[in-house]
Amino acid sequence: DIQLTQSPSFLSASVGDRVTITCRASLAVSTYLAWYQQKPGKAPKLLIHSASTLESGVPSRFSGSGSGTEFTLTISSLQPEDFATYYCQQLNSFGPGTKVDIK
Amino acid sequence: QVTLKESGPVLLKPTETLTLTCTVSGFSLSDTGMGVSWIRQPPGKALELLGYLFSNDEDGYSTSLRGRLTISKDTSKDQVVLTMTNMDPVDTATYYCARVRHDFLTYHYDYWGPGTLVTVSS
Repeated sequence: DIQLTQSPSFLSASVGDRVTITCRASLAVSTYLAWYQQKPGKAPKLLIHSASTLESGVPSRFSGSGSGTEFTLTISSLQPEDFATYYCQQLNSFGPGTKVDIK
Repeated sequence: QVTLKESGPVLLKPTETLTLTCTVSGFSLSDTGMGVSWIRQPPGKALELLGYLFSNDEDGYSTSLRGRLTISKDTSKDQVVLTMTNMDPVDTATYYCARVRHDFLTYHYDYWGPGTLVTVSS
């Protein structure tokens, strides 16, 4: 199975900040990488798939990049509703998550 | 409008068998390039894929849970069923079903059910 790591595991940021989360895979599987946002008590929500394709309805401040074994999720200007936990996923594996909290 | 919804017991005793049903609407379980996966999340922990069943009947299961899991479907009822045997308190989690989209370019979960919390306790 593919192993995914995320960094950082926790970050504290302010509204308006640019935030970058990194996901590293134990082996390269093309651009089969997706990002999800999860808020407490809710199901995950798809943000990005195929490494860089923004899911319909997701604000353009979210973007994804990368290939091979290293991928990034960037939030260009953090909004109050973006405080949540973010997970990467590749095939049948999920990363451990990155919690974005209010500074 | 695509929706998925999990249903089943919320409380089990150790060694019992869990049976959860995912009822879908807005797409067919026979649509090419689609399938349904079961994913769980213990309280305060990360997501864990349990298994999947594609429209072409290809299936797969978590390596660590293989032998305890079975996923089946009834296309006429728009339902996918997860069976997990020999439940233990460590299996206490929120269980989600999600639609998986897969082709040579992508593999992701675009719609999720709201989840159901299953507690295992004597």
